[in-house]
Amino acid sequence: DSGVTQTPKHLITATGQRVTLRCSPRSGDLSVYWYQQSLDQGLQFLIHYYNGEERAKGNILERFSAQQFPDLHSELNLSSLELGDSALYFCASSAPGLDGNEQFFGPGTRLTVL
Amino acid sequence: GDSVTQMEGPVTLSEEAFLTINCTYTATGYPSLFWYVQYPGEGLQLLLKATKADDKGSNKGFEATYRKETTSFHLEKGSVQVSDSAVYFCALIYNFNKFYFGSGTKLNVKP
Repeated sequence: DSGVTQTPKHLITATGQRVTLRCSPRSGDLSVYWYQQSLDQGLQFLIHYYNGEERAKGNILERFSAQQFPDLHSELNLSSLELGDSALYFCASSAPGLDGNEQFFGPGTRLTVL
Repeated sequence: GDSVTQMEGPVTLSEEAFLTINCTYTATGYPSLFWYVQYPGEGLQLLLKATKADDKGSNKGFEATYRKETTSFHLEKGSVQVSDSAVYFCALIYNFNKFYFGSGTKLNVKP
């Protein structure tokens, strides 16, 4: 158990809908990262938040957005869903400090868009 | 651009065989390099890391050496077990805001 929690575990929805994925980092970790893992594209970095502020963006679509709240939990919002958005979405957290810190991954949310 | 390339799988080995999973990278800066492992139905776990050239990361019998001259970070284990069956990801992280993962290599170890 990494200490990172994600809810829900599974989500099934229809095209065009909007969903919110939630992540709680390990106690004391200030950084939260979101990743998308799909069968054909491997693991793609989406976005990084540090203590409530956006720090880095990867391959995140404009239909997707995220935020980190004062209690440090984070939410990833996916809207106007398409079939291709079906994937595993992972959240990870890391402790404050220099580059090279280990990222601790949650168990993931499996999103299925029908 | 920056990227990580690792060998395609699946890799199928018999128990006690020697394992090598190749990983090469391109980066404009000075990255830290990582190997993560993903067991079925779980998230990724850090297996080992190296933060500068010539460093060797090791854990649970796995090793990888940060080779700047060949831009490689190959994962090795002398004797694999059935319990090592998983997907292995090579990753590079630097400047605190650049994260690149390889596509993953599935390892199947047969008894």
